[in-house]
Amino acid sequence: NAGVMQNPRHLVRRRGQEARLRCSPMKGHSHVYWYRQLPEEGLKFMVYLQKENIIDESGMPKERFSAEFPKEGPSILRIQQVVRGDSAAYFCASSPLLTENTEAFFGQGTRLTVV
Amino acid sequence: QQQVKQSPQSLIVQKGGISIINCAYENTAFDYFPWYQQFPGKGPALLIAIRPDVSEKKEGRFTISFNKSAKQFSLHIMDSQPGDSATYFCAATLTGSARQLTFGSGTQLTVLP
Repeated sequence: NAGVMQNPRHLVRRRGQEARLRCSPMKGHSHVYWYRQLPEEGLKFMVYLQKENIIDESGMPKERFSAEFPKEGPSILRIQQVVRGDSAAYFCASSPLLTENTEAFFGQGTRLTVV
Repeated sequence: QQQVKQSPQSLIVQKGGISIINCAYENTAFDYFPWYQQFPGKGPALLIAIRPDVSEKKEGRFTISFNKSAKQFSLHIMDSQPGDSATYFCAATLTGSARQLTFGSGTQLTVLP
């Protein structure tokens, strides 16, 4: 059973371009979380999705950022018109049906560099 | 209200020593406190976790101590090894919610051989 797969591992974009980050959850997992890690900082929650639904996007910047988790295919975090401040590591985590003992498993992250 | 404060920012320990990392939280509704270990270039991996109904949990060389009244919890790594060198994050969450984690800022641990 493969773990949470994120791609690309590294992404370089020029200011103003779009960045698309992909996350394939573990098999059987229907819940996906996106976190952002700025250099020398902890992870900050961005958005929580289930298939075809955004459950909580309270951590998402109001503009330029969007996320989806379609019925088929990976979850996508999309950043439009990237700026230097978007440079960070973006981690995806997935979990199965939520119960008291549910754990979320993290992918290896996508490191976005905006030049 | 949602913050988790972690200290120290960095820690250097001799092989065989005890590493201690501390965290404090503000939201008394948090009911699950995991610790994550992260190696360079990797994602965080769950190390050990505790619920507030117990004051201590031990798994091998790793122990979490929990003080509910003080809203503090700590990670102790006994007999620290060079392979333990990594960044450690404490976190907190509400199990009844969407399970998003609130992370501390991390502690970079270096264990000298």
